[in-house]
Amino acid sequence: QSVLTQPPSVSAAPGQKVTISCSGSSSNIGNNFVSWYQHLPGTAPKLLIYDDNKRPSGIPVRFSASKSGTSATLGIAGLQTGDEAVYYCGTWDNSLGVFGGGTKLTVL
Amino acid sequence: QVQLQESGPGLAKPSETLSLTCTVSGGSISPYYWSWIRQPPGKGLEWIGYIYYSGNTNYNPSLKSRVTISVDTSTNQFSLNLTSVTAADTAVYYCARHSAVARSGFSNWGQGTLVTVSS
Repeated sequence: QSVLTQPPSVSAAPGQKVTISCSGSSSNIGNNFVSWYQHLPGTAPKLLIYDDNKRPSGIPVRFSASKSGTSATLGIAGLQTGDEAVYYCGTWDNSLGVFGGGTKLTVL
Repeated sequence: QVQLQESGPGLAKPSETLSLTCTVSGGSISPYYWSWIRQPPGKGLEWIGYIYYSGNTNYNPSLKSRVTISVDTSTNQFSLNLTSVTAADTAVYYCARHSAVARSGFSNWGQGTLVTVSS
């Protein structure tokens, strides 16, 4: 049972936009920055978003994120087949690193 | 661009100690925070603990009694020891660098190494 709650799966057609939610509590999302990761099987997870809504260099602008209270949301616009992956949210709960259970994105 | 590479045995016997090393290349191990994270088969990510380049550590309470993370700045490596392993410790183990302060995201990850606990 993950500390952060994500939907198990989402799907959308190429070119469309999808959002992935991440729900937590005041001890984690409510008081710490949220990060988002893209994980393709057999590869290293990739940081997509840090500090709630900042993109590392090299991450396309079609990846965006927001946070409100104890929930965070990742948005992916202009979906491509290469975006099919598992997406994780992560943050801290006091000094404990915590993640969501992951959301599998299918690009139909 | 900093790169991380995990190394160590892919098989551990129950009750023994799992030992892994993460080698950092393309950058210095200081002045950053470094974590170990694992993913059991079919499950999500679990944070194990972190170490600062100076040696300060913080561990997941659920594993704290069995975990030791150490750092060697002279070789640009940090290591994980997990004692008294069971089948529940079978997982892909990742090492990762924090992007900034202790409670920040993980900006760089290793490819991961599968460790199977079995007799």
